[in-house]
Amino acid sequence: DAKTTQPPSMDCAEGRAANLPCNHSTISGNEYVYWYRQIHSQGPQYIIHGLKNNETNEMASLIITEDRKSSTLILPHATLRDTAVYYCIVRVMDSSYKLIFGSGTRLLVRP
Amino acid sequence: DVKVTQSSRYLVKRTGEKVFLECVQDMDHENMFWYRQDPGLGLRLIYFSYDVKMKEKGDIPEGYSVSREKKERFSLILESASTNQTSMYLCASRPTGGRVYGYTFGSGTRLTVV
Repeated sequence: DAKTTQPPSMDCAEGRAANLPCNHSTISGNEYVYWYRQIHSQGPQYIIHGLKNNETNEMASLIITEDRKSSTLILPHATLRDTAVYYCIVRVMDSSYKLIFGSGTRLLVRP
Repeated sequence: DVKVTQSSRYLVKRTGEKVFLECVQDMDHENMFWYRQDPGLGLRLIYFSYDVKMKEKGDIPEGYSVSREKKERFSLILESASTNQTSMYLCASRPTGGRVYGYTFGSGTRLTVV
């Protein structure tokens, strides 16, 4: 699975958009970008995934650059409950059963 | 919504005890996983199962065993608990299929071995 790089921490104001970047310059053509988050003392939660195209669901939007070497997770209207560690993971579907989390970005949403 | 339920949020056990951690999922997922999460070490895979009665070792199976007698239930067993097994234990499930699915995790069991 390709390596990802994320800033260790970020903050944003409640109600504003949170834009979390992720670099994955060694991504292969068949690798997907997944985002998970982990709220304190809870299990990780799947947010969104994508291959090439931008994706949106009820939780977030995922913007993947045309060269696929980086992506941005967007929480359009962050709330205090979005305070969590966000993990960007790049992997081939079913390549292995291991899900490897890096250090992630600790997002603090300020009131 | 898919739900993965772990039977206990917090457990305190004594060294040498046999410990059972239970996990149940309600969406008919074929694949189930046990991870442990420790500060600075991230998530480490202990065991996984891709079908009833099937199990595969992950990266750190020593000191653990698993049981999957029914599709919805995956149990992690600490044969003789030790203090170095104090950790957050996370169960996850995932379906098999042509679509790309994410993992669904339970809320975790924080186990302390004293």
